Order: sequence, then structure tokens, then C-alpha cells
Amino acid sequence: IAGITQAPTSQILAAGRRMTLRCTQDMRHNAMYWYRQDLGLGLRLIHYSNTAGTTGKGEVPDGYSVSRANTDDFPLTLASAVPSQTSVYFCASSEGGRAFFGQGTRLTVV
Amino acid sequence: SQELEQSPQSLIVQEGKNLTINCTSSKTLYGLYWYKQKYGEGLIFLMMLQKGGEEKSHEKITAKLDEKKQQSSLHITASQPSHAGIYLCGADKGNFNKFYFGSGTKLNVKP
Repeated sequence: IAGITQAPTSQILAAGRRMTLRCTQDMRHNAMYWYRQDLGLGLRLIHYSNTAGTTGKGEVPDGYSVSRANTDDFPLTLASAVPSQTSVYFCASSEGGRAFFGQGTRLTVV
Repeated sequence: SQELEQSPQSLIVQEGKNLTINCTSSKTLYGLYWYKQKYGEGLIFLMMLQKGGEEKSHEKITAKLDEKKQQSSLHITASQPSHAGIYLCGADKGNFNKFYFGSGTKLNVKP
């Protein structure tokens, strides 16, 4: 059982470039989320999706977009990366009151 | 502003010592979750508390939720180096569209 798989594990990205962080789950959960984790700030919600075909904005959505074409995949796109988007990104899904997290993607924008 | 206040921010303890991490909300919580993150790895679910006064234990870790459902504590007994990591509390208000995390407590256990 894989759970939630994120790719890539880490990435160094030039400012201004476009980047898509991938997230796939095999648990058939309806709800999925993207968080960023920064020192001293804990996890902050970027975007979420309650079910395939729907998405919503979280606490810090600016500069990010998501899509949910099917239940399993929930990619996060940075259209034009900026250094302030340097962070560790976690994808999560939830079912029955529990959340499950991927291993994270460490993104550095230079 | 943070919805959940976690304290302390960091903690260094000698192996074998007990320790407590606190998580406080200004609002009543629907569910309170504790996670552990090992450095560079993903989040691992530890426990979920939903009822006021509830207490759960897993191995040497005990978590409690107060009667008002606004404060939770995580207690580790006889700490070991394997307990080292970042402990995060999280809470939802009935759905995961609004799921809040504390800023985390970094725990180091000295052998």
C-alpha cells in the first residue's frame, strides 16, 4: 500500500520558471489538500479539493493553482516561481476524520 | 495569526526523562490531532482526540484533551532518542477544509 506519493522529493528551481508538484493517492479518498511548511509557521493550507472536479482556496493560495481531474491525482502548479515559495510542500488526503500525508517535496527557488 | 498555539517551540531532554508538549486553541475544537515528523520525512499520525476529557496512549506517548476541548497535551514518558523529531498538533472544525496546525515543537533527546 503506497498511500500518498509525492514527486519530486526535492527540486531546485530558477525564479520565474513553471513547476508542477505531483501528488497521487491510492486510497480513493475524496478530499485532498496541499500544505506548505515553513519554520515557525507550521503547516498552512494552500488549496484543497473535496471531490474530483472541485477545488477551493486555502489560507495561502496566491501563486499556486491546482486541478482535480480524477480522484487519485491532485497536482500543484507554480506558474512563475518566486523565492518566497521556497518551502516544504505536503500533499494530504482525508477520510473518516483522519488525514494522511505524503513524504513532502522540498522546493528551493533561486 | 496562528489558530493553534503550541509550546514549547523546542525542547532538549536527557534520555529517560519525561516531557510534555502543549497545544492551545482559543476556540472549541471538533477534533485534535497529534503528528510527528522526523527530520526530512513526512508526517506520521499519532493520535486523534474528539471527546472532552479524552485520553489516549500509544506506547510511551499519552495525549489528553481537556473538558472544554480547547487544550491538549502530549506527554512522553522515559524519552528515547527515537522520540526525537517535530511534534505538530492539528485541529479541524468539522471538516478538513479548515484544518489548522500548530507551529510545532522540535524535540531533541540526548543519549
